[in-house]
Amino acid sequence: GAGVSQTPSNKVTEKGKYVELRCDPISGHTALYWYRQSLGQGPEFLIYFQGTGAADDSGLPNDRFFAVRPEGSVSTLKIQRTERGDSAVYLCASSLFSYNEQFFGPGTRLTVL
Amino acid sequence: DQQVKQNSPSLSVQEGRISILNCDYTNSMFDYFLWYKKYPAEGPTFLISISSIKDKNEDGRFTVFLNKSAKHLSLHIVPSQPGDSAVYFCATITQGGSEKLVFGKGTKLTVNP
Repeated sequence: GAGVSQTPSNKVTEKGKYVELRCDPISGHTALYWYRQSLGQGPEFLIYFQGTGAADDSGLPNDRFFAVRPEGSVSTLKIQRTERGDSAVYLCASSLFSYNEQFFGPGTRLTVL
Repeated sequence: DQQVKQNSPSLSVQEGRISILNCDYTNSMFDYFLWYKKYPAEGPTFLISISSIKDKNEDGRFTVFLNKSAKHLSLHIVPSQPGDSAVYFCATITQGGSEKLVFGKGTKLTVNP
């Protein structure tokens, strides 16, 4: 596909469960970002990958959140022991080289009951 | 503490008139500013940007103005069209930093036919 894709588009889970959210960046883009957008807020940075490595994970709220990008392409955001406060839209973005052109996917809406 | 502030949650204008969206920031180290546009159920899309070495950047109907002394930027859309109805996010990034975008809360623009 031409753009960033994210799966699933919606995920409903119960408190305490484990979830995985997937991001497929634009082919060839080396940089990949995860953001979280809560209701009424702007997107908030979670983690940034350059290639396979996490260059900045300062936005991850706690150790229940983890993300990987093992082959430098697809990334998975993993949330353990989900809490109701984790409910949000999780956005993924990728960029080729320049930081000023981040292309966003449609997001995954996570609802924790 | 919000580093990027969009104090107007919503704005309504008539088709053909000018829309002015405002944004304030607190950190004088921010040196690159962007506007993103977001439709429901889609990811944010890049609209226009400006470097801190400029005070104006124009792209078609969209112009961004930067006032560094006031730490204020604005997005002008003229003439406004109904298809411009969306949420507009102001964002910033620090060159040479972690590449993450810092977003405001957004302003919902409604352009009435």
